[in-house]
Amino acid sequence: EVVLTQSPATLSLSPGERATLSCRASQSVGSSLAWYQQKPGQAPRLLIYGASNRATGIPARFSGSGSGTDFTLTISSLEPADFAVYYCQLSANWPTFGPGTTVDIK
Amino acid sequence: EVQLVESGGALAQPGGSLRLSCAASGFTFNKYAMSWVRQAPGKGLEWVSAISSSGGSTYYADSVKGRFSISRDNSENTLSLQMDSLRAEDTAVYFCAKDAYGGISYYFDSWGPGTLVAVSS
Repeated sequence: EVVLTQSPATLSLSPGERATLSCRASQSVGSSLAWYQQKPGQAPRLLIYGASNRATGIPARFSGSGSGTDFTLTISSLEPADFAVYYCQLSANWPTFGPGTTVDIK
Repeated sequence: EVQLVESGGALAQPGGSLRLSCAASGFTFNKYAMSWVRQAPGKGLEWVSAISSSGGSTYYADSVKGRFSISRDNSENTLSLQMDSLRAEDTAVYFCAKDAYGGISYYFDSWGPGTLVAVSS
């Protein structure tokens, strides 16, 4: 079973700053990785699939990179709406989510 | 616009049963695989079960295998989750999620708002 770990657990930043979130897999998963954003009381929203492809309607400030075991979600310049919890997810059998990174306002 | 709306969440006793439903609209339901994903209070996301577009193939997380059953009615655009032998650890918000592709990719591009299942005596 592939285990996903995310770091840091919490990232405290100011609007306009760059956010770099990490997701590491316990074994190689190729590019079978997605990123989701979740705000309190809401369902998750797909941001990135296939490690680096933006989902429909996702702003260009969100980008994903990596392959194998190490992946990164970058938000180039934080907007107020971007403060949320971010999950990475293995999209292969069986789908697994990481524990999440909270991006909060510094 | 894709819409997914879950229903059926309630308070249930340990060992009891519940049936969740998800009404889908805004897309060709019979062309997409669907999944259930849950989130315990204050916790992360856990995939529960998936079903192929035709309903011919089903998949379960080990934590629910043998207790939960996923199904779909493509004539009614409805996804269901029959939950039996409920345990306290099944307490969670249950989300219905649409697969991004026709096959099972496990990329979930649309989600419902969720329905709360609480298991307690």
